[in-house]
Amino acid sequence: EPEVTQTPSHQVTQMGQEVILRCVPISNHLYFYWYRQILGQKVEFLVSFYNNEISEKSEIFDDQFSVERPDGSNFTLKIRSTKLEDSAMYFCASSVRVNTEAFFGQGTRLTVV
Amino acid sequence: ELKVEQNPLFLSMQEGKNYTIYCNYSTTSDRLYWYRQDPGKSLESLFVLLSNGAVKQEGRLMASLDTKARLSTLHITAAVHDLSATYFCAVQWWNEKLTFGTGTRLTIIP
Repeated sequence: EPEVTQTPSHQVTQMGQEVILRCVPISNHLYFYWYRQILGQKVEFLVSFYNNEISEKSEIFDDQFSVERPDGSNFTLKIRSTKLEDSAMYFCASSVRVNTEAFFGQGTRLTVV
Repeated sequence: ELKVEQNPLFLSMQEGKNYTIYCNYSTTSDRLYWYRQDPGKSLESLFVLLSNGAVKQEGRLMASLDTKARLSTLHITAAVHDLSATYFCAVQWWNEKLTFGTGTRLTIIP
């Protein structure tokens, strides 16, 4: 069964460092998303991406964040200068088209020290 | 502002009992999801509810949607320990993003 895969599963980084979280969406999906979940809290939307551009972003997704689809398969989230409060589980998701079910990857746990 | 509220936030129940988790949302929507999350794990899709009056059942879990009341329920019948997890509802409006509820942490006690 096709699935969304994310790497790495866990990343520890020092405050101020740049991190790139990677995702491989399901191959025939056209819409891609990043969500964040701080430990013990609800899942929050960060950004949606379609046709090689951001279609929507939340207030959380400030200038420190960027997304890219560098090739036909990968979808990345970059945090330029990490802060302690960026520590969270980051989930990538993809869907076939707008307003259809999104499928989530297993997540990347980011720990900023 | 789009809001999704769940209650209760925490639920401890004995095996064999029945209970209901409630999900209220602020603006009319036709698409609601229920997810299960085990500690440190990803989101497992349980149900997709697409229209008013929709009811879906899988094993001991049953979900329903009342779009007029802006309410969805997740009913647990004869709970077993394996159902211990955090359950989230999520609403999808005209745009494609999901807005999640606060989650309900369910603990089943033997």
